[in-house]
Amino acid sequence: GAGVSQSPSNKVTEKGKDVELRCDPISGHTALYWYRQSLGQGLEFLIYFQGNSAPDKSGLPSDRFSAERTGGSVSTLTIQRTQQEDSAVYLCATLLNPSTDTQYFGPGTRLTVL
Amino acid sequence: AQTVTQSQPEMSVQEAETVTLSCTYDTSESDYYLFWYKQPPSRQMILVIRQEAYKQQNATENRFSVNFQKAAKSFSLKISDSQLGDAAMYFCAYRRAGGSEKLVFGKGTKLTVNP
Repeated sequence: GAGVSQSPSNKVTEKGKDVELRCDPISGHTALYWYRQSLGQGLEFLIYFQGNSAPDKSGLPSDRFSAERTGGSVSTLTIQRTQQEDSAVYLCATLLNPSTDTQYFGPGTRLTVL
Repeated sequence: AQTVTQSQPEMSVQEAETVTLSCTYDTSESDYYLFWYKQPPSRQMILVIRQEAYKQQNATENRFSVNFQKAAKSFSLKISDSQLGDAAMYFCAYRRAGGSEKLVFGKGTKLTVNP
């Protein structure tokens, strides 16, 4: 597609429920990042995928968070047993060449945990 | 670990005037990239300008320019002839060169443009 897309745009869930957030990268972009933006804060790195390599999960805040990327394209971020502190905007970014290129961001998913 | 600091939580400027947003960073690396991103209320992060650390010349993009001081680890953004559409959150970000490096962000500066 022309740009990075994310769905849903907004998600409201109850504490304890599981949620899935989706990212569709720019066609041909092999690298994909997930970031979290809590209220009034900058973006915090969560996880990185590059081609068929093992993902860099060093930013995931707890084992309730996981992500996968099927076929090197679409990625899903899953949060299990959501907590109120998980409320944030979750942003996906992709790029063509990890060594030199700029990351291009999707519009994000605003997650609200009640 | 690398850190990025934006010391101005909020700034305001009159339309058509010039404003400078500050950013400092801490790294032991010699090769890296610096970015300014704009985030309007739509949440979309938009790249404003990018600077390669090995380049001495300051990057410019139309009304946007940077003052990159490598020794001082400073990377400020100057917006000339400010427009109402420039109102947004501005984030400074750092990325180490090479490989799969993630972006490290500052906490942002909220820019208000007054008509």
